[in-house]
Amino acid sequence: KAGVTQTPRYLIKTRGQQVTLSCSPISGHRSVSWYQQTPGQGLQFLFEYFSETQRNKGNFPGRFSGRQFSNSRSEMNVSTLELGDSALYLCASRHLGQGNEQYFGPGTRLTVT
Amino acid sequence: EDQVTQSPEALRLQEGESSSLNCSYTVSGLRGLFWYRQDPGKGPEFLFTLYSAGEEKEKERLKATLTKKESFLHITAPKPEDSATYLCAVQAFNDKIIFGKGTRLHILP
Repeated sequence: KAGVTQTPRYLIKTRGQQVTLSCSPISGHRSVSWYQQTPGQGLQFLFEYFSETQRNKGNFPGRFSGRQFSNSRSEMNVSTLELGDSALYLCASRHLGQGNEQYFGPGTRLTVT
Repeated sequence: EDQVTQSPEALRLQEGESSSLNCSYTVSGLRGLFWYRQDPGKGPEFLFTLYSAGEEKEKERLKATLTKKESFLHITAPKPEDSATYLCAVQAFNDKIIFGKGTRLHILP
């Protein structure tokens, strides 16, 4: 089975711009979660989608949003980028009710200048 | 508030020197505890799931154990390729998953 894929792998954006990241889960996984990882804060949960509906949400401002499509692929969007948004953004998929462990993609490294 | 604390933050060991990493948690009902390994520049790789106190899981040189308040990841006779950041995460009854900040493990040859 193919793993979780994320595109793009690297991005450089300027403050004030917006960005969209994409994630394709493992085939058959309908849950997709997004995390922000920084050296100081570790892995912080952004949100989880299941069957195109947001199931859970972390404590991030409304500039961070996401969506999921009928094929379980997911996108997250960050508007009005700030320097502090520079991070590794990780996507993870899981098969709800079967082990519940998450499988992560390689991440998108976002740098905001 | 649900919380996961990992210790130590960093650990340097000689090759062959066994040790343990700790993951302490407070959560409103534990559905599962997960261990992951993360190499630099990569996403975390799933290692183990533990569901109840007393449970143990093993994989090569790694063994994970679980009590009602903490989990240990024991590393026996580590090799340099075991160097990585090890992450612990807990899943609460409300299905939220909380990660610890990880332990950076460095095995010296």
